[in-house]
Amino acid sequence: SAVISQKPSRDICQRGTSLTIQCQVDSQVTMMFWYRQQPGQSLTLIATANQGSEATYESGFVIDKFPISRPNLTFSTLTVSNMSPEDSSIYLCSVGGGKWETQYFGPGTRLLVL
Amino acid sequence: SQQGEEDPQALSIQEGENATMNCSYKTSINNLQWYRQNSGRGLVHLILIRSNEREKHSGRLRVTLDTSKKSSSLLITASRAADTASYFCATDAGVRNNDMRFGAGTRLTVKP
Repeated sequence: SAVISQKPSRDICQRGTSLTIQCQVDSQVTMMFWYRQQPGQSLTLIATANQGSEATYESGFVIDKFPISRPNLTFSTLTVSNMSPEDSSIYLCSVGGGKWETQYFGPGTRLLVL
Repeated sequence: SQQGEEDPQALSIQEGENATMNCSYKTSINNLQWYRQNSGRGLVHLILIRSNEREKHSGRLRVTLDTSKKSSSLLITASRAADTASYFCATDAGVRNNDMRFGAGTRLTVKP
């Protein structure tokens, strides 16, 4: 299994600012995933982050709004840029595939934008 | 985009009763997984069932999969107040990258 940590666990931000969320995994993984969960909703995949290449974004998500870094095989960041109240959500990173069939999730970052 | 639908959206039962949640999906899958989420926290993996499996058990959990109907069910037997949570099914897209597609979830409340 994988143990995943995220920082920060929660934050309250002003509109127009940006927040960078960190995700750390306790083992090397090729692919990491970033999800958004809006209040009362299910999870929606934002992007897949592969080490050494550009992240692949899902429909409705763009790099300018959600830039992602993947500097090594155990770490990734997601930035929520130029935030608005509509960005208030829980953001979760996960790993899966390859040696794991199961997908493992971090504890999430709860973001509130005022 | 989300893969499927879950029903019911909300379920309220008494402690000791069984809870059944259903999930439907749209595309071919390699496996289907069920997760639990307490109060907007991280997701806890409950059980994985592969496309060539029809039923799987884990403790008080029983999962079935019907690939002809593209549906799955999660049964929690002898429910406890601690089972109160949201339950999500998720399928692998089967196309690339092992990213998971989540259903809308069922909010289960178990009353003591």
